[in-house]
Amino acid sequence: QKEVEQNSGPLSVPEGAIASLNCTYSDRVSQSFFWYRQYSGKSPELIMSIYSNGDKEDGRFTAQLNKASQYVSLLIRDSQPSDSATYLCAVNTNTDKLIFGTGTRLQVFP
Amino acid sequence: DAGVIQSPRHEVTEMGQEVTLRCKPISGHNSLFWYRQTMMRGLELLIYFNNNVPIDDSGMPEDRFSAKMPNASFSTLKIQPSEPRDSAVYFCASSLGLDEQYFGPGTRLTVT
Repeated sequence: QKEVEQNSGPLSVPEGAIASLNCTYSDRVSQSFFWYRQYSGKSPELIMSIYSNGDKEDGRFTAQLNKASQYVSLLIRDSQPSDSATYLCAVNTNTDKLIFGTGTRLQVFP
Repeated sequence: DAGVIQSPRHEVTEMGQEVTLRCKPISGHNSLFWYRQTMMRGLELLIYFNNNVPIDDSGMPEDRFSAKMPNASFSTLKIQPSEPRDSAVYFCASSLGLDEQYFGPGTRLTVT
């Protein structure tokens, strides 16, 4: 079992819809969770961090964390074509290293 | 504020040559990370430093790879000798503590 798992996609959503990206992790003692956005040919860009159970909202982005079920998700409201990218989930394990998932490719079509 | 700076942005070299990648972390950050990204393996942590000290190098693929951080504002990743399978994008990232990491633009390495 991989430490951090994501569906590779592509996830295709129409412009204006909600995109829902999911991530599961295996290490129960993980404390910090991050979402990065990576455009093709570019470096990962940190867009959200979450540390406690529940929802955290930042503009059109909402991160959701459920430690009991070991999953973290990212919702993008009012999706725009400019949101088309690969979204990487990262989990800080008890070894103080960020473990990245392989990413979910999101396509937002007009 | 300047972000993480990496050089060169692109490197093409022949098998057997030495390659040196450079990174300048964000000022004030005390942790620095070297990653490698390929289509096959995704984003892999190679090594990280905290306060200029290497903490975990378990991701370094083999002895051909070495990394140094002589001071808080500079780090190098060296591959000697390089091989075609080392072709990848190498990212440097920095953070304050060990949480939110900020990535540099990367170095695209091609070994022929």
